[in-house]
Amino acid sequence: AQKVTQAQTEISVVEKEDVTLDCVYETRDTTYYLFWYKQPPSGELVFLIRRNSFDEQNEISGRYSWNFQKSTSSFNFTITASQVVDSAVYFCALRRHGNNRLAFGKGNQVVVIP
Amino acid sequence: GAGVSQSPSNKVTEKGKDVELRCDPISGHTALYWYRQSLGQGLEFLIYFQGNSAPDKSGLPSDRFSAERTGGSVSTLTIQRTQQEDSAVYLCASSSEVWTEAFFGQGTRLTVV
Repeated sequence: AQKVTQAQTEISVVEKEDVTLDCVYETRDTTYYLFWYKQPPSGELVFLIRRNSFDEQNEISGRYSWNFQKSTSSFNFTITASQVVDSAVYFCALRRHGNNRLAFGKGNQVVVIP
Repeated sequence: GAGVSQSPSNKVTEKGKDVELRCDPISGHTALYWYRQSLGQGLEFLIYFQGNSAPDKSGLPSDRFSAERTGGSVSTLTIQRTQQEDSAVYLCASSSEVWTEAFFGQGTRLTVV
């Protein structure tokens, strides 16, 4: 079975601080896909990144970076120099190869305090 | 359209009534998903459509829930005899391939009173 754990329910940071969101997953498959989504107060889930299980390269996109570690089954997300607009719920998700459904974590509520 | 479109944005209905929620996926996307987001429950998979294949209905919580996708495009999620526990945000998503990222609509907030 697939499972995604995001242990930190709510995280508050002061603007310009860095914040790291932990995502730990469980799967027996060798090929799978990991995702991060952002859900701002408006409610729409916004796709941020997809990572294939066979590609362990870390990625940086502006102030966002992702650290994929297969050895620890983790796919952590860091926001550098946080801004108020980063306030949202962030979801980590897992999909098995050939399977249609995304298994989501419970989400991390990030509150950036100005 | 440019993104996944859902209607209505909000729906308030009386317990026992039927409701229909509509999803218009991104043009050309063959895969379409329905998820439900309840307070404290996270995101729950409901149903999946892929091309002309039989849909995966394994996530539907009861036989009061059904969905169809006409012409491989627009989808309608129907909830019959609504109950208060059906109150949630219903999210639709589409993707170009099974393994690629899904793009979500803004959701329909359903409130059963």
